[in-house]
Formats: sequence, C-alpha cells, structure tokens
Amino acid sequence: NAGVMQNPRHLVRRRGQEARLRCSPVKGHSHVYWYRQLPEEGLKFMVYLQKENIIDESGMPKERFSAEFPKEGPSILRIQQVVRGDSAAYFCASSPGQISGNTIYFGEGSWLTVV
Amino acid sequence: AQRVTQPEKLLSVFKGAPVELKCNYSYSGSPELFWYVQYSRQRLQLLLRHISRESIKGFTADLNKGETSFHLKKPFAQEEDSAMYYCALTDSWGKLQFGAGTQVVVTP
Repeated sequence: NAGVMQNPRHLVRRRGQEARLRCSPVKGHSHVYWYRQLPEEGLKFMVYLQKENIIDESGMPKERFSAEFPKEGPSILRIQQVVRGDSAAYFCASSPGQISGNTIYFGEGSWLTVV
Repeated sequence: AQRVTQPEKLLSVFKGAPVELKCNYSYSGSPELFWYVQYSRQRLQLLLRHISRESIKGFTADLNKGETSFHLKKPFAQEEDSAMYYCALTDSWGKLQFGAGTQVVVTP
C-alpha cells in the first residue's frame, strides 16, 4: 500500500531546459496538490487538481509552469525554460476527497536544481 | 483572505526546556488546523490535527478561537525534535495553506 510517490527525487537541469516532475497519488485518491518549497522559505501552494480538472491554480506562476492529472497515469508538473529561481523542492500531496477533514498525504519531494 | 502566520523563523532551545511554536490564523469560516513536521529533507508528516485533540511525541496544541491561535507546545524538548514545523489550515476545498514554518533547533 504505497504512499504518494514522486519521481525523480533529484533533477538537475540547465537553464532553458524543461523539467517534468511526476506524482503518483495514494491508490484511490483523486485529489492532488503541488507545493513548492524554496530555499529558506516555507511551503507555497501551487495547484490543486482532480482527475482531468484543474480546480485551483492560484499559486502557479503565470508563465512556463503547467500541471495536469490525466485520467490514467501520474500527475505531472511541467516547468519549461527553467531558470535558476526555479531551484526548489516540489512536493506533491494527495487526498481521497475535498471534504474538509480528510488527511492529506505528502510525497518525499522532488529536488530541482537549475545550473 | 485566509492566512497562517508563524512569527518565529528560528527557535533555539536547550534539551529539556519547554518549547512553544506560535501560530495565528485568519479565516472567515471554521478552519481545520494542523501541525506538520519535516525532518531534514524528508516528506512532511502530520503531527497534530486540532479536531483529534491528541498528543503526539509529547506535543500538544490548543485551538483558541478568541485569539485565532493554534500554538504548538512541548514541556521538555528532545534533540530529536529538531526539525521544521509548519502550521496549516484547510479551506472548504480541503486545500492546505501553510505558514512560513519555524525551524526548531534543540541543543544538548
């Protein structure tokens, strides 16, 4: 009974390349959240997705960032044309539903380094 | 607008001393509040939920609606308590919003 699985755990990209981060939620969970943790800063909400729907993307930068959670397969956070400021830990979390009180489970994070 | 405030970025305490991490919130409805802990470069782990009123690893937190606070307390800090602590609340969608976090360092 695996928890939230994120890969890769560590990713190094040169400026201008693309980064793709994958998140497989807990089996049976239909809600996925992405958070970003910048060095020396806290966790910032990025996007909330359900299967095939973006529910809330208020924390996503307007450009270069996109996220999806297809009917089949993991959720993907995609960063195009990465810059040094994108270097951060990206955490995915999942929950079984939107009812307040459901516990949210976190993955171990993907550490992106842009060189 | 909802907000979670953790005023202390770093808290350094001696082993055996009491520790209190402050958390204040603003939310228009009835929030659900949590404390999460993150040990070095690991996943966030749920420490406490205010609705369960339990004590985990010696930590307790009381929701004070009058002061809109949810401070985390432990009477005797241990070295293994050194970690990053996040206070969080969920909105009606179940989305977690975190405070900036407090780094706790327990020195022997």
